[in-house]
Amino acid sequence: DIQMTQSPSSLSASVGDRVTITCRASQIIRSNLNWYQQKPGKAPKLLIYAASTLLSGVPSRFSGSGSGTDFTLTINTLQPEDFATYYCQQSFNTPLTFGGGTKVEVK
Amino acid sequence: QVQLVESGGGVVQPGRSLRLSCAASGFTFNIYAMHWVRQAPGKGLEWVAIISFDGFNKEYADSVKGRLTISRDNSKNTLYLQMNSLRTEDTAVYYCARGTEGFGDYGWFDPWGVGTLVTVSS
Repeated sequence: DIQMTQSPSSLSASVGDRVTITCRASQIIRSNLNWYQQKPGKAPKLLIYAASTLLSGVPSRFSGSGSGTDFTLTINTLQPEDFATYYCQQSFNTPLTFGGGTKVEVK
Repeated sequence: QVQLVESGGGVVQPGRSLRLSCAASGFTFNIYAMHWVRQAPGKGLEWVAIISFDGFNKEYADSVKGRLTISRDNSKNTLYLQMNSLRTEDTAVYYCARGTEGFGDYGWFDPWGVGTLVTVSS
């Protein structure tokens, strides 16, 4: 199975900050990496797919990069509605696997 | 708009069975793969199963293989998860999610349903 390791597991930030979350795969997954945002009590929402393609309707302050084994989600100019938990997910092979999540909290 | 609504969750004793449903609307259901993903209370996300657009191909997480069965009825725009021999560790919110079109790769999950809570407890 492909293990997905996210870091950090949590971070504290302020509105306006730039936030970077990393995700590392245990083997090469090309660009088969997706990012989700989840708020408490709600279903996850897709933000970015294929490592760097922003889903239509997602604010442009979100961006993704990387390929192979190392990937990054960046949130530029953090907004109040961005405080949430973020998950990466590999779609290279089954079992499809998620990172452990990164909780972005208010500083 | 695209919508997925799960139902069928509840409290069940270990060893018993439950069937979840996911009603799809707002898109052409029979051209998309579909998934089940679960989330134990306070934990992260775990992929459970995928079914191809035509229902012929299915894959499962090892943790559920042989106990949970994914199926679909394209005439009813509905996805199912038959859950047998339930264990306490199956306690979770179960989400259905749309996958990719046709014969594409495994892809991403978009959108997700609101989820249904399954509690396995004696």
